[in-house]
Amino acid sequence: AQTVTQSQPEMSVQEAETVTLSCTYDTSESDYYLFWYKQPPSRQMILVIRQEAYKQQNATENRFSVNFQKAAKSFSLKISDSQLGDAAMYFCAYRTLLLKETSGSRLTFGEGTQLTVNP
Amino acid sequence: EPEVTQTPSHQVTQMGQEVILRCVPISNHLYFYWYRQILGQKVEFLVSFYNNEISEKSEIFDDQFSVERPDGSNFTLKIRSTKLEDSAMYFCASRWTGLLDEQYFGPGTRLTVT
Repeated sequence: AQTVTQSQPEMSVQEAETVTLSCTYDTSESDYYLFWYKQPPSRQMILVIRQEAYKQQNATENRFSVNFQKAAKSFSLKISDSQLGDAAMYFCAYRTLLLKETSGSRLTFGEGTQLTVNP
Repeated sequence: EPEVTQTPSHQVTQMGQEVILRCVPISNHLYFYWYRQILGQKVEFLVSFYNNEISEKSEIFDDQFSVERPDGSNFTLKIRSTKLEDSAMYFCASRWTGLLDEQYFGPGTRLTVT
């Protein structure tokens, strides 16, 4: 079974600064997907960024980027130029590679990191 | 932008009672999920549903749980006889059809069992 670990329960960052959230995972699979989800205080989780394990290039989405180290099974999220609206709980999640569309596609989540952005 | 909605936002029930949590997935999505998050713990997968049947379930999803898509829009999670340890936030999610498509989550229903 896969496991995902986020060792930082809380992080804080000054507005406009950069912060990195850590995530490690354990799996015996060679192909899979990794995700970062953001859960603002309204509690609706939204996808921030996705990484396919077979891609060597790190994913980026505007101010969000990842550092994917497959051998180390590490998947950190970097938020540049932090904004007040970035304050939220951030979840790292793992999903196995689907071989067919009818396969289950459960997400396995980490514990979450609560990010505070200080003005 | 289309959203997954869930009702009620908070449900309080007594131990042993049946509860039904309701979700309206995004209209053209074909895959549906329930997750739960006990306070202070990880978000955990419960069940996935496709083509009117369960496609995968976790060890948590025992005979006390059932899911149904009673019509073209709702997706429900029923807990037959609630226990104190069922108290949690329950999240519904839906996904379209592509292998890379993301899951869209609802805001959750907080279930409190007293």
